Amino acid sequence: AQSVTQPDIHITVSEGASLELRCNYSYGATPYLFWYVQSPGQGLQLLLKYFSGDTLVQGIKGFEAEFKRSQSSFNLRKPSVHWSDAAEYFCAVGADFGNEKLTFGTGTRLTIIP
Amino acid sequence: IAGITQAPTSQILAAGRRMTLRCTQDMRHNAMYWYRQDLGLGLRLIHYSNTAGTTGKGEVPDGYSVSRANTDDFPLTLASAVPSQTSVYFCASSQSGRGGRNEQFFGPGTRLTVL
Repeated sequence: AQSVTQPDIHITVSEGASLELRCNYSYGATPYLFWYVQSPGQGLQLLLKYFSGDTLVQGIKGFEAEFKRSQSSFNLRKPSVHWSDAAEYFCAVGADFGNEKLTFGTGTRLTIIP
Repeated sequence: IAGITQAPTSQILAAGRRMTLRCTQDMRHNAMYWYRQDLGLGLRLIHYSNTAGTTGKGEVPDGYSVSRANTDDFPLTLASAVPSQTSVYFCASSQSGRGGRNEQFFGPGTRLTVL
């Protein structure tokens, strides 16, 4: 079965600084990878996804993520964060054996300081 | 209706009471899911349904039941609520037939407190 690890529970970044959120997955074949964002009191919104092809994927709100098979990672990045980026971020992995389910990581809470 | 709606938004419930959380989607998605979100544990899958008329157990199904009588609705029932079921519950849906590459769309959540 697939699994996801987000090693950082909470990250604090200054507004305008760069951001990298870590995600490591475990799955025997090529995974399908997702990053979701959850603003306070809201549901989850998809930021970006990776299925195949170019390992650097672009998402909404200026986010990007890079799939590195050798490191089993799918880290989320943003070159310059805005105060509105403060939220909880979830990495998720899906498998390709007819199983519709996604497995989510435990999330990383991002705080932005002025 | 646009996307996924959940009701109620929040609820305080006495232990031992029965409660049904409602979820409706208007995207004609075949697959639907119920998750619970708890601090430090992320989202955990309770039950899912790949298509109307079928359901399956997720990671934490005990104490919960679901039904899928039609494509749009996927209610979650707590037959006899216990305090450990205090959580935020999210309903989600996705297109089916494409394995784990489906993007899931989420509702706004139901905050449930069991006393």
